[in-house]
Amino acid sequence: GENVEQHPSTLSVQEGDSAVIKCTYSDSASNYFPWYKQELGKGPQLIIDIRSNVGEKKDQRIAVTLNKTAKHFSLHITETQPEDSAVYFCAASIGSGGGADGLTFGKGTHLIIQP
Amino acid sequence: NAGVTQTPKFQVLKTGQSMTLQCAQDMNHNSMYWYRQDPGMGLRLIYYSASEGTTDKGEVPNGYNVSRLNKREFSLRLESAAPSQTSVYFCASSEAEQVKRGNTIYFGEGSWLTVV
Repeated sequence: GENVEQHPSTLSVQEGDSAVIKCTYSDSASNYFPWYKQELGKGPQLIIDIRSNVGEKKDQRIAVTLNKTAKHFSLHITETQPEDSAVYFCAASIGSGGGADGLTFGKGTHLIIQP
Repeated sequence: NAGVTQTPKFQVLKTGQSMTLQCAQDMNHNSMYWYRQDPGMGLRLIYYSASEGTTDKGEVPNGYNVSRLNKREFSLRLESAAPSQTSVYFCASSEAEQVKRGNTIYFGEGSWLTVV
């Protein structure tokens, strides 16, 4: 099955600086890569996603890049703000074959924005 | 706009007790999921239901059963709770049958379960 590795597990950046979180996946058949933000005591919420036919996608201060050859994708947050502090999860659609079988998640990155 | 609603929010069980976590979505989604979240482990899929009337095992199904009661509701049952099942449980739903088609998964707010 699919395996998703996420780094770093904790990231501390100064307010206003950029943050980058990286993920790798194992199954070359995966074709959908969402990123979720989870605030304390809440469920994960989708912030951006990318499909395998696109190399980069941007939404205001957030961007995601995908390298299919290397099987890795990254989340970039620019001009970080205190409200960006949260746990971020990357995910990939599970391998080949049929079935509606959800997503495989990375283990999460705790992003801390220092004032 | 409720989205995905789970109950209860918090529960403490004794080892060996049974309980059911309830989940309902009001987005007319076909697929529903149950995940558990443990420190350092991320989110792991327990069971999913591609459409009404079908259920399938995910990554960590042992010790759990599910029921897709109708299109809106998907319940998770612990028949004989064990301390290893202490976790945060998230119900989720998505529009299409296959997440690989790139359909967003929407999560509920979570259910905190402690087994003592």
